[in-house]
Amino acid sequence: KNEVEQSPQNLTAQEGEFITINCSYSVGISALHWLQQHPGGGIVSLFMLSSGKKKHGRLIATINIQEKHSSLHITASHPRDSAVYICAAAGVNTDKLIFGTGTRLQVFP
Amino acid sequence: KAGVTQTPRYLIKTRGQQVTLSCSPISGHRSVSWYQQTPGQGLQFLFEYFSETQRNKGNFPGRFSGRQFSNSRSEMNVSTLELGDSALYLCASSLGGSKRRETQYFGPGTRLLVL
Repeated sequence: KNEVEQSPQNLTAQEGEFITINCSYSVGISALHWLQQHPGGGIVSLFMLSSGKKKHGRLIATINIQEKHSSLHITASHPRDSAVYICAAAGVNTDKLIFGTGTRLQVFP
Repeated sequence: KAGVTQTPRYLIKTRGQQVTLSCSPISGHRSVSWYQQTPGQGLQFLFEYFSETQRNKGNFPGRFSGRQFSNSRSEMNVSTLELGDSALYLCASSLGGSKRRETQYFGPGTRLLVL
């Protein structure tokens, strides 16, 4: 079992739909990163959070440290949101990032 | 400010050869981390350099090595290449504090194909 699990693995949506991607982890963490990877490989860091909720434009990330769970929400999804979304956990006693397997999102017009 | 750059972007090698990849971090960033991404294993941490010293290491064989120069530029080397080393190699830079507190800025990656 992976220490960081994401669901769903694949997600398709119609433009305008509300999207939720989930990330669960089994290790103690001090922070969780959400990353976006477009075709071609480049990765962009979306959020880094250790508690509560963060919002940037149409993107919202939440984390519940006690439940070991984080979610990434996309409101009013758009075809340009099509990408792979990856969560990565930073451990409490280690500075290494442990990555989830990613969620491939396709948004159709 | 220029972003993280990686060279070369694409590389084809044959089994047994060695390869050196380069990463130039964002100006002022002192930490450089390297990652391997494959379809089967996803993203995996290779190692991190800070102030020319390896600060963290993942679970990769000794064929994978790296170094960092005084200007924070970093190189990674893979010796005796195997077919399974075919992957996208990404580097990420940050100011130098902990990944618990800092955003990582990723380069575009080097796609390595081993034949």
